[in-house]
Amino acid sequence: SYELTQPLSVSVALGQTARITCGGNNIGSKNVHWYQQKPGQAPVLVIYRDSNRPSGIPERFSGSNSGNTATLTISRAQAGDEADYYCQVWDSSTYVFGTGTKVTVL
Amino acid sequence: QVQLQESGPGLVKPSETLSLTCAVSGYSISSGYYWGWIRQPPGKGLEWIGSIYHSGSTYYNPSLKSRVTISVDTSKNQFSLKLSSVTAADTAVYYCARTIVGASGFDYWGQGTLVTVSS
Repeated sequence: SYELTQPLSVSVALGQTARITCGGNNIGSKNVHWYQQKPGQAPVLVIYRDSNRPSGIPERFSGSNSGNTATLTISRAQAGDEADYYCQVWDSSTYVFGTGTKVTVL
Repeated sequence: QVQLQESGPGLVKPSETLSLTCAVSGYSISSGYYWGWIRQPPGKGLEWIGSIYHSGSTYYNPSLKSRVTISVDTSKNQFSLKLSSVTAADTAVYYCARTIVGASGFDYWGQGTLVTVSS
């Protein structure tokens, strides 16, 4: 089965840029979606199809995907960006979620 | 505004069947999209369970397929999950959500409901 690997945690200084990676075999050939989940809340879609932002998601959130790595970038990080982030793909008629990354804003 | 709301027992005994329903408002299930279930054990990551189209076409997580049934009731604008032979490992927050299978992520989610498997 397809696997998506994310770093357990990422720390970023307030106002700086955080990059969260999602590794998978030839993931560049797939559509990658990203979710933000704050404690006690349902996940929120922040990026779909690699680099598209749903309505209401700040431009500070961007995504890219190539080769074996997809990346979610959070620019000008704010305290409110502190959350868990998950990547997701569709592979062999199955949705697969990444292992999740906890982002801490210092 | 699309809204999803999960409902069902919060406590299920081991070996029994977990049953949840997701009521959809603000959008007709018959108009399209796939409708899915995702779960999250306490302190752990997200796991997709399965998704269904209004026609009844389904996709299931292979690791759960033998125990899962997802059905849709377009007259009530809701869809349901049944998970049989549950164990403590099935204790989780269960979410329902909307997606375009293969082409998009889950764009609308319910608030989630905690189901505990315990005698």
